Amino acid sequence: GENVEQHPSTLSVQEGDSAVIKCTYSDSASNYFPWYKQELGKRPQLIIDIRSNVGEKKDQRIAVTLNKTAKHFSLHITETQPEDSAVYFCAAVRYSTLTFGKGTMLLVSP
Amino acid sequence: SAVISQKPSRDICQRGTSLTIQCQVDSQVTMMFWYRQQPGQSLTLIATANQGSEATYESGFVIDKFPISRPNLTFSTLTVSNMSPEDSSIYLCSVVPTGRETGELFFGEGSRLTVL
Repeated sequence: GENVEQHPSTLSVQEGDSAVIKCTYSDSASNYFPWYKQELGKRPQLIIDIRSNVGEKKDQRIAVTLNKTAKHFSLHITETQPEDSAVYFCAAVRYSTLTFGKGTMLLVSP
Repeated sequence: SAVISQKPSRDICQRGTSLTIQCQVDSQVTMMFWYRQQPGQSLTLIATANQGSEATYESGFVIDKFPISRPNLTFSTLTVSNMSPEDSSIYLCSVVPTGRETGELFFGEGSRLTVL
């Protein structure tokens, strides 16, 4: 089956800095890569996604990049704000099966 | 999108008892799933709830322990049977709204179970 590795497990940044979370996947058949944000005590929510035929996608301060050859994808958050503090999960989808990474706890200090 | 109501939101249960969690969606959805999230951990898929047929369980999860019902396209239940402290976790119902990608999951608020 698919295996998704996510790094780092925790990330602390100062407000205004950029944050980058990286994921790798094992199966080249994976073709869709969503990212979820889970605030403390809340449900996970989809924040951005990318399909395998696209190299990069941006939505305001967040962007996701995909390198199919290397089988890795990354989440980039610019101008971080305290409300960006949360756990972020990457995921890979192959044949209708979704596999989550272990999550990254992002802490943004004011 | 989809609005998902889950109940109970939390409960404290005694060892050996069973608890049923309900998930109600405001629209018909084909794909409905049950996840478990242990404290500080990622999301683990328990099973896919299939309408009108038996659920499809992931490795490590069995029907006797986690029976699931899906009587229609908007409702499902998950029962955690014969609970032990190791079952203390958050259980999340999730759906993929019709027309969305398989990985575009919408989650319920979760049911936080504590087993004493």
